[in-house]
Amino acid sequence: DVKVTQSSRYLVKRTGEKVFLECVQDMDHENMFWYRQDPGLGLRLIYFSYDVKMKEKGDIPEGYSVSREKKERFSLILESASTNQTSMYLCASSPRKAPYEQYFGPGTRLTVT
Amino acid sequence: AQTVTQSQPEMSVQEAETVTLSCTYDTSENNYYLFWYKQPPSRQMILVIRQEAYKQQNATENRFSVNFQKAAKSFSLKISDSQLGDTAMYFCAVRLIQGAQKLVFGQGTRLTINP
Repeated sequence: DVKVTQSSRYLVKRTGEKVFLECVQDMDHENMFWYRQDPGLGLRLIYFSYDVKMKEKGDIPEGYSVSREKKERFSLILESASTNQTSMYLCASSPRKAPYEQYFGPGTRLTVT
Repeated sequence: AQTVTQSQPEMSVQEAETVTLSCTYDTSENNYYLFWYKQPPSRQMILVIRQEAYKQQNATENRFSVNFQKAAKSFSLKISDSQLGDTAMYFCAVRLIQGAQKLVFGQGTRLTINP
């Protein structure tokens, strides 16, 4: 079975802190994604990566950056956390070929105070 | 750009009933995949069912089936003989076959199955 793991289930940070969210997948997938999930808005794509050291902006990249130094690991970085970044963050991975199903991690609920 | 709309924020049915969740989408492309994902309370998001737009036959997976109307850009999910374990958030999503490899999600429908 595909396994996508995220470093923390719950995280509390202070405004202005630098925050790292880590995601690891074990199925040799080329594509990895970071979403944030907010009530009434569904999932919105922050960044994605289709190969090592490659990244592309999603729909809401402002205030975030990413790093993919190894194929299995995709990190989301909040350079200076703000209260409006309080949210559920979901990582996902998928193979490059059809049927392109995305496999999700358990999520990290981040609270910025 | 693709958009997905789920017009039912919440739904509630009794156990063993049949329930249909609505989803409409918009894309100018002809080749794409459609997905329904399920997110149980405090648990991981999992795929429920997938439909290829080039297939006319509606996809089915056990108690789950879709009504795919390509011309109307509608992709509803029917859950038959609903069970307590079907209680979850359900998300509809679309992905193009060519180009950007991302999913575009709807807002979600919170489904509660009552005993």
